[in-house]
Amino acid sequence: KAGVTQTPRYLIKTRGQQVTLSCSPISGHRSVSWYQQTPGQGLQFLFEYFSETQRNKGNFPGRFSGRQFSNSRSEMNVSTLELGDSALYLCASSLARDSNYNEQFFGPGTRLTVL
Amino acid sequence: AQTVTQSQPEMSVQEAETVTLSCTYDTSESNYYLFWYKQPPSRQMILVIRQEAYKQQNATENRFSVNFQKAAKSFSLKISDSQLGDTAMYFCATGTASKLTFGTGTRLQVTL
Repeated sequence: KAGVTQTPRYLIKTRGQQVTLSCSPISGHRSVSWYQQTPGQGLQFLFEYFSETQRNKGNFPGRFSGRQFSNSRSEMNVSTLELGDSALYLCASSLARDSNYNEQFFGPGTRLTVL
Repeated sequence: AQTVTQSQPEMSVQEAETVTLSCTYDTSESNYYLFWYKQPPSRQMILVIRQEAYKQQNATENRFSVNFQKAAKSFSLKISDSQLGDTAMYFCATGTASKLTFGTGTRLQVTL
C-alpha cells in the first residue's frame, strides 16, 4: 500500500504570496491532519479534516486554511505569506474508525521557504 | 489543553548500550494516548510505540519500551541494544483522535 504523499516537496515563495500544498492519504484513510514544524515552535497542529469537514483546528490565524475532497485528498492554503511561515508542513492520515485511537501515518512533508 | 515537555534536547549513546529519553505531559483528557515518534534525518516521521493511558502495563515493541507513570504524568522511552539506525529526533506526543500535541524533541545520536 502506498504511503502518504505530499506535493510539492520543496517550495520557495516571497512574502505576500499565497501557496497551496497537497496531501494524498493512504488508501482507505478518511482523516487528514496537518502540522507545521519549525525549529523555534516545534510541531504544531494546524487542522484535521474528516469526510470533507474540518473536525479540529489549532491556534493558527485565518491565513491558514484547508479543505478535503471526496477522495480524502487534502489541500492546505496559506495566504499573504510571512517570513515566519517558513517551515516543514507535515500531513498525516489515519483510518478514523469509531475509536479513540487512530494511528497517524505521516508524509515526507513540504519544505516551504518564504523570502 | 495539553502540554508535553522533553527536557533533554540532545543525547548520545554508544552502539549496543541502553538509553532512556524523558517526557512529561499534562492533559485535561480522561481518556488519552501517549506516543513516541521517530524522525530520522530527512526522512518521514514514524510511530515507535504507543501507550493507552487506561492500561497500567507498560508498552513494549522489540527493543523499545516505555515507563508510564500516570500519577507523575511521566512517559519515558527506553531503547535497548541501540543501533546506528536509531539516530533520529524522538518526539513524545499525546492526543486523542487525530490531533496530537508534541514535545520539542530529543535528538539522539548513536555512536560506534
